Amino acid sequence: EAQVTQNPRYLITVTGKKLTVTCSQNMNHEYMSWYRQDPGLGLRQIYYSMNVEVTDKGDVPEGYKVSRKEKRNFPLILESPSPNQTSLYFCASRRSTGELFFGEGSRLTVL
Amino acid sequence: GDSVTQMEGPVTLSEEAFLTINCTYTATGYPSLFWYVQYPGEGLQLLLKATKADDKGSNKGFEATYRKETTSFHLEKGSVQVSDSAVYFCALGDYGGATNKLIFGTGTLLAVQP
Repeated sequence: EAQVTQNPRYLITVTGKKLTVTCSQNMNHEYMSWYRQDPGLGLRQIYYSMNVEVTDKGDVPEGYKVSRKEKRNFPLILESPSPNQTSLYFCASRRSTGELFFGEGSRLTVL
Repeated sequence: GDSVTQMEGPVTLSEEAFLTINCTYTATGYPSLFWYVQYPGEGLQLLLKATKADDKGSNKGFEATYRKETTSFHLEKGSVQVSDSAVYFCALGDYGGATNKLIFGTGTLLAVQP
């Protein structure tokens, strides 16, 4: 089954404690992206990757890092989380026809 | 830059009512347009898409037509069901442009009552 898998789905952490949200896709897509969803703001792109070892900033990259060492994986790293990073995060990969496949989301709370 | 504007929600309808959710866009190029749906507790799923002017996307009874002259992509359904209750996002695909991403509207919550 084609899917994008994110972990963890829910996480509560404290300010400054490094965390990683993993993302894996099994569709051999080259393009992957991270979005955050906040009430009244819709989805905003954090980072994207066109292929292995090729990443670039989206609209709201501050406070985040990513890496793309393998085609299937695109982890999101919060080196020193802050409360304003409390959000719902989505990883997505893109079909050649342009539409995105989304994971089920990771709800992060930073205290 | 490119942007998407969709109507504020929530939209509350009775079962079998007609649905319209308005979406307009601003784009410098020739984007693809999408509607995504997000059911409670889930990720976004593609509902329908259109890749060029005058194309009509359709799926599960929903339709939207890419109108270049009015820069619109309104979502319609003739008879909504309780199971259609969800958040609907209009999006613009700017893959040939500088930003290389999907740009989303803020979402419209639809609540259908029995």
